[in-house]
Amino acid sequence: QVQLVESGGGFVKPGGSLRLSCAGSGFRFPEYDMTWIRQAPGKGLEWLSSITSRDYASHYADSVKGRFTISRDNAKSSLFLELNSLRVEDTATYYCVRGGHFNGYSFFYYGMAVWGQGTTVTVSS
Amino acid sequence: DIVMTQSPLSLPVSPGESATISCRSSESLHHSNGFIYLDWYLQKPGKAPQLVIYLGSNRAFGVPDRFRGSGLDKDFTLKISRVEAEDVGVYYCMQALQTPAMYTFGQGTKLEI
Repeated sequence: QVQLVESGGGFVKPGGSLRLSCAGSGFRFPEYDMTWIRQAPGKGLEWLSSITSRDYASHYADSVKGRFTISRDNAKSSLFLELNSLRVEDTATYYCVRGGHFNGYSFFYYGMAVWGQGTTVTVSS
Repeated sequence: DIVMTQSPLSLPVSPGESATISCRSSESLHHSNGFIYLDWYLQKPGKAPQLVIYLGSNRAFGVPDRFRGSGLDKDFTLKISRVEAEDVGVYYCMQALQTPAMYTFGQGTKLEI
């Protein structure tokens, strides 16, 4: 069963830090680009960061650049997001999402077909 | 940055009717490889989003053929025929032209029965 399971969310004060984790299973994790997307309460979806399968290149939305760091451990089929200098507006549900596929020869994009259940981060004083 | 604009933001329909959601991009989503990098996602109440349509017109695994994605360049449409109760939720379009460097979502369209 293809699955992503996030963990690490919680309650933190402004300026604090958290580390989110995402465990992948049921697919060849090293072959996929991985992404974090969040959703503030009652709001829409916001792309935050992605990391490629091929060269571990990372990309960030302007809203989190310099504060959040994405990383992956292919040996453990795990994705991470380090959240620093947290702000009240970072309060959201954070989703781990599977992206494009690189089979060693070619890259294929089939949409973001696999999402985790989400982990909630609350930033408040 | 590419801006995605959806309409309407709220769409009440009756079971069995059709529903049409529009999505406009500020830039063409037609990649040089020939594909249209536009996806549609549905977020059912209390759930994570799920993929409905990818690359403009391809239904995701398990999505019934009542769902049809179309469009070229900057204007896209998701049409749902014979709406059922299980179709309710918020539909988002998303551009993936710059994958994996950036993705942008529309504001979402709430489909309700």
